[in-house]
Amino acid sequence: KAGVTQTPRYLIKTRGQQVTLSCSPISGHRSVSWYQQTPGQGLQFLFEYFSETQRNKGNFPGRFSGRQFSNSRSEMNVSTLELGDSALYLCASSFFGSGGPLYNEQFFGPGTRLTVL
Amino acid sequence: AQKITQTQPGMFVQEKEAVTLDCTYDTSDQSYGLFWYKQPSSGEMIFLIYQGSYDEQNATEGRYSLNFQKARKSANLVISASQLGDSAMYFCAMREATNFGNEKLTFGTGTRLTIIP
Repeated sequence: KAGVTQTPRYLIKTRGQQVTLSCSPISGHRSVSWYQQTPGQGLQFLFEYFSETQRNKGNFPGRFSGRQFSNSRSEMNVSTLELGDSALYLCASSFFGSGGPLYNEQFFGPGTRLTVL
Repeated sequence: AQKITQTQPGMFVQEKEAVTLDCTYDTSDQSYGLFWYKQPSSGEMIFLIYQGSYDEQNATEGRYSLNFQKARKSANLVISASQLGDSAMYFCAMREATNFGNEKLTFGTGTRLTIIP
C-alpha cells in the first residue's frame, strides 16, 4: 500500500509570491491534516480536512488556506509569502473521520521543504 | 502552559544501551491519547507507540515501551538496546478527548537522540 505522498519535495520562492503544496493520502483515508514545522515554533497544526470539509483550523493567518478534493487529495496554499513561512510542511492522513477513536494513527508524508527568499 | 513538555533537547547514548526520553503533558481531560513519533533526517514522521489514558498496562512495541505514569502526567519512551539507526528526533504528542473526532495532535519540542558506536 502506497504511503502518503507530497509534492513537490522542495520549493524555493520569493517574498510576496504564492505557493501550492499537494498531498495524496493513503488509499481509503478520508482525513488529511497539515502541519508546519520550524526550528523556532516546532510542529504546529494548520488545518484538517475530512470528506472535502475543513473540520478544524490552527492559529494561522488567512494567507494559509487549503482544500480537499473528492478523491481525498488535499492542497494547501500560502499567499503573499513571508520569510517566516520557510518551513517543512507535513501532511498526515488517517482512516477515521469524526467520531473516530483516540487511537487513530496519523500517517505522515515526507514533507515539502519551502524556502522563502 | 505547554501541553507537551520534552525537557531533553539532545541526548547522546552508547550503542546497545537503553535510553529513556522524557515527556510530560498537561490536560484536564480524563480521556486522551499519547503518541511517540520518530523523525529521521529525511523528515518523515514515523509512528512508534501509542498509550491511551485508560490503558492499564504500559504500551510496548518491539524495542519501544512507554513508561506511563498517569498521576505524574508523564509518558516516557524507553528504547531498549539502542541501534545506530535510532539516531533521530523524537516527538511526544497528545490527542485530547475534547477534540474527539478532531485529528489535531499537539506536539512537544522534541529530543534529538544520537547513538554513538
